[in-house]
Amino acid sequence: DTAVSQTPKYLVTQMGNDKSIKCEQNLGHDTMYWYKQDSKKFLKIMFSYNNKELIINETVPNRFSPKSPDKAHLNLHINSLELGDSAVYFCASSRWTGDTEAFFGQGTRLTVV
Amino acid sequence: AQSVTQPDIHITVSEGASLELRCNYSYGATPYLFWYVQSPGQGLQLLLKYFSGDTLVQGIKGFEAEFKRSQSSFNLRKPSVHWSDAAEYFCAASGNTPLVFGKGTRLSVIA
Repeated sequence: DTAVSQTPKYLVTQMGNDKSIKCEQNLGHDTMYWYKQDSKKFLKIMFSYNNKELIINETVPNRFSPKSPDKAHLNLHINSLELGDSAVYFCASSRWTGDTEAFFGQGTRLTVV
Repeated sequence: AQSVTQPDIHITVSEGASLELRCNYSYGATPYLFWYVQSPGQGLQLLLKYFSGDTLVQGIKGFEAEFKRSQSSFNLRKPSVHWSDAAEYFCAASGNTPLVFGKGTRLSVIA
């Protein structure tokens, strides 16, 4: 069983479109995260949710809107996609915010053309 | 501000040679420290972690890392590199906050 799963794994779309990436964890964790890995492989936190509530929003454009319907799911919706949004997006979870270890999904490679 | 630095962007080693990847951190207190590996087109796999106690930690795939408080370092080592170790390696730290990553070190392995 995959602990943290993201769909889709690959996403190619045109500029201006709206797209969503889904994430689910079956670990019973309270906290979930979205990280962005840019073209230079740099990984940076975007959002953190604890038990469905937004905890951290690292100055991400308003076009990015995370949604957590329950603590096992954290989806990422992106409006009006831009070329610069092309990246790999990783979902992760941990038992609580700042827990000693986070578990990562396999990533979603988003390409905006 | 909390930060993690990996001074080496790219390292090339011969198969069978030893490896050391450097990592330095800047935190208010000793953070939790991690090394992750990312193979091409793959996700992040945890190699090892340090929370407290013994400063030499063993991980998967024959990797180990040593925490040195005096140098604010957590360097990753492997005595004999295999071609399958070619990947991107990330050092990360957490201090009751989400993980902060270094910029990664790309490891190439030559025959």
